[in-house]
Amino acid sequence: AQKVTQAQTEISVVEKEDVTLDCVYETRDTTYYLFWYKQPPSGELVFLIRRNSFDEQNEISGRYSWNFQKSTSSFNFTITASQVVDSAVYFCAGGNNRLAFGKGNQVVVIP
Amino acid sequence: NAGVMQNPRHLVRRRGQEARLRCSPMKGHSHVYWYRQLPEEGLKFMVYLQKENIIDESGMPKERFSAEFPKEGPSILRIQQVVRGDSAAYFCASSTGGNSPLHFGNGTRLTVT
Repeated sequence: AQKVTQAQTEISVVEKEDVTLDCVYETRDTTYYLFWYKQPPSGELVFLIRRNSFDEQNEISGRYSWNFQKSTSSFNFTITASQVVDSAVYFCAGGNNRLAFGKGNQVVVIP
Repeated sequence: NAGVMQNPRHLVRRRGQEARLRCSPMKGHSHVYWYRQLPEEGLKFMVYLQKENIIDESGMPKERFSAEFPKEGPSILRIQQVVRGDSAAYFCASSTGGNSPLHFGNGTRLTVT
């Protein structure tokens, strides 16, 4: 069985502040993939990143960065210098073919 | 290069009617997944299909729900005799298989009145 935990439900930040979203993925699988998706108010799901369980190297893409630590099963996501357009629900997901999703983090960036 | 196309975007049905949701995968993708998102919840896996085959339907309710992905044409998620509890956003995703990333459509928002 897989379980994805995103503890924070709603996070409000003032524009230009950093925001970090926590995700813990629990599984009995030894190999798996982890994902982050963004769901803006318009409702579509936007793929942000995929990491495999062997790769613990941190990754940065523009204002986004990800930190994966297999020992703690955590795959955290940081938005640096947040902007109003970052306001959305962010989902962490994990698995192989069949993904399990967390309940999401609602991020509100206040101008 | 069109992404995953889902239609309709919004669907309203009365209790007891049938709902048909369509999904055309990205070009070159032969694997389709259906997920359901209840209000203020994350996505829940329903079914995984490859052309003409159901690979994993462990997330599908046992009654009233069915899915297909024919050799030609879109994948269809069919809900018979809808009830209010079926109101949700239904997302389709496609991939090239294996562990390739899932690309999601914009979803179909089903409202049962």
